[in-house]
Amino acid sequence: QKEVEQNSGPLSVPEGAIASLNCTYSDRGSQSFFWYRQYSGKSPELIMSIYSNGDKEDGRFTAQLNKASQYVSLLIRDSQPSDSATYLCAAPYGNKLVFGAGTILRVKS
Amino acid sequence: ETGVTQTPRHLVMGMTNKKSLKCEQHLGHNAMYWYKQSAKKPLELMFVYSLEERVENNSVPSRFSPECPNSSHLFLHLHTLQPEDSALYLCASSQFGHPNTEAFFGQGTRLTVV
Repeated sequence: QKEVEQNSGPLSVPEGAIASLNCTYSDRGSQSFFWYRQYSGKSPELIMSIYSNGDKEDGRFTAQLNKASQYVSLLIRDSQPSDSATYLCAAPYGNKLVFGAGTILRVKS
Repeated sequence: ETGVTQTPRHLVMGMTNKKSLKCEQHLGHNAMYWYKQSAKKPLELMFVYSLEERVENNSVPSRFSPECPNSSHLFLHLHTLQPEDSALYLCASSQFGHPNTEAFFGQGTRLTVV
């Protein structure tokens, strides 16, 4: 099993809908998780971090963490075409930060 | 000063050339990374330096040679590259050992090998 796994997509949602992005991880000892957004040809940009079980909300974004199931998700409410990008999940493993392969999100107007 | 700065932003080099990529971070972090991202492919971790010591080398060909002279600077020395090495090279930094170990990325260097 890979350390951090994501469905590559693409995930297509209509404008205004909720986009749900999922990530699983293998190390039960992981304590922190991060979501990055990457536009084509650009560098990844941190959008959310979460450390505790439950939900964390920031504007239209909600990160959800379930340590028992080793599952972290990102919800984007009222999706906009500008949200179309690749979303990367990441978790620290020892001395490095491991990224999933990313999920491509397409928001259709 | 932006958090993580990479230079140059674009580089075109021949297969016989020698060039270097530079990364500088102004965040006070103690870990720095080099990633490679080929077109429409996931991030590939190349090297990790923690406290100026190389702690990760993911089977990267010897034509890529990293150097970390201090905790704020990271270089990637390139020589006799191949066309398949054309990619976006990303530098990142984080605070290893701190709970908030998110990484911040530079803008990247778009490398084209001709």
